[in-house]
Amino acid sequence: DAMVIQNPRYQVTQFGKPVTLSCSQTLNHNVMYWYQQKSSQAPKLLFHYYDKDFNNEADTPDNFQSRRPNTSFCFLDIRSPGLGDAAMYLCATSRADSSYTFGSGTRLTVV
Amino acid sequence: AQSVAQPEDQVNVAEGNPLTVKCTYSVSGNPYLFWYVQYPNRGLQFLLKYITGDNLVKGSYGFEAEFNKSQTSFHLKKPSALVSDSALYFCAVRDMGGYQKVTFGTGTKLQVIP
Repeated sequence: DAMVIQNPRYQVTQFGKPVTLSCSQTLNHNVMYWYQQKSSQAPKLLFHYYDKDFNNEADTPDNFQSRRPNTSFCFLDIRSPGLGDAAMYLCATSRADSSYTFGSGTRLTVV
Repeated sequence: AQSVAQPEDQVNVAEGNPLTVKCTYSVSGNPYLFWYVQYPNRGLQFLLKYITGDNLVKGSYGFEAEFNKSQTSFHLKKPSALVSDSALYFCAVRDMGGYQKVTFGTGTKLQVIP
């Protein structure tokens, strides 16, 4: 089945230690998104790629970076995780005019 | 700017009773409207969407939503609630004109009581 896959499902990292979360898709969607979700709140968009074009939200901290080496993969890099970065990170994909398909998310714990 | 309001943080309903989860929206043009459901420690799952056509949209798991342009609402409904419907529900909107990001509501927790 075509889908969006996030790895790992659970990630524990040390305070200040760089961490990378991954997302892959088999849907061939041209848009990929990274959201941060805390405590059952609304997902907060961090950035998205429209094809190869990177679009950063104005309030996304510099600590968060992203890479999209090809259509299928997108990575979220957190350069120096703080305790406040503990959250569920959701990857989603879409075509420009369609609904989003979400991955199952990666729950990040910072210790 | 587009926005979505979900006025209820939580909705409680008895199993077997009809349920409604409310959503109102604001866009400058014509809207695309969506409902997503989220179970604990999971991503969001697509339930249904409205683009054009019939105001009553049918979706997954027996859910439906009614688009009301004059009231700018898109309430989610189900005739008979199941305990397994207990989850967090998000309404979302995007402007139909060109490429626009989706804006999510704050979510409504649905609790179905056995």
